Amino acid sequence: GNSVTQMEGPVTLSEEAFLTINCTYTATGYPSLFWYVQYPGEGLQLLLKATKADDKGSNKGFEATYRKETTSFHLEKGSVQVSDSAVYFCALPPSGSARQLTFGSGTQLTVLP
Amino acid sequence: NAGVTQTPKFQVLKTGQSMTLQCAQDMNHEYMSWYRQDPGMGLRLIHYSVGAGITDQGEVPNGYNVSRSTTEDFPLRLLSAAPSQTSVYFCASRTGGGETEAFFGQGTRLTVV
Repeated sequence: GNSVTQMEGPVTLSEEAFLTINCTYTATGYPSLFWYVQYPGEGLQLLLKATKADDKGSNKGFEATYRKETTSFHLEKGSVQVSDSAVYFCALPPSGSARQLTFGSGTQLTVLP
Repeated sequence: NAGVTQTPKFQVLKTGQSMTLQCAQDMNHEYMSWYRQDPGMGLRLIHYSVGAGITDQGEVPNGYNVSRSTTEDFPLRLLSAAPSQTSVYFCASRTGGGETEAFFGQGTRLTVV
């Protein structure tokens, strides 16, 4: 079945540092890939997505490239801000017997001023 | 736009008590689901529904009941609360089929003492 393996946290960075959060997946075929973000005290919201191999999703300065060769979808940002402090989830869409999204375990990011 | 609304935001229960967590969406989404979020365990699917009158179990359904009498509402019932059900609960909805984005409520933080 589908699975998502996500970089263990927590991650603590200083403002303006470079961020990478690793995500690899196991799935049949070439599904879309998602990154969700959960800000403190809130529900998850879609941050970005890519719908096919070699696509790059981007939003709010974050980017992730769909790499089918390495089955990866790593999240990157060149210069993080304190307001980026949140939990980040990599996710696969439903397929086959998986009727709902499959989430990674989440990575807690704290950005210090 | 209200999106997905969960009530209450916070709740404390005594062991053995029952209660219902409410979830309503105004986007006419077919698919709705309940997750629980626990430290270090990411999101785990409790129950989901693919339309009014249709529900199914997720990964961790024991101790919870759901029903879906309307498209808008998907309540989650705790039959006899246990300390192991202390968690943050999220309701989500999305349009049916395909690789569509899920929209989440703000969550209910439940403590069972």
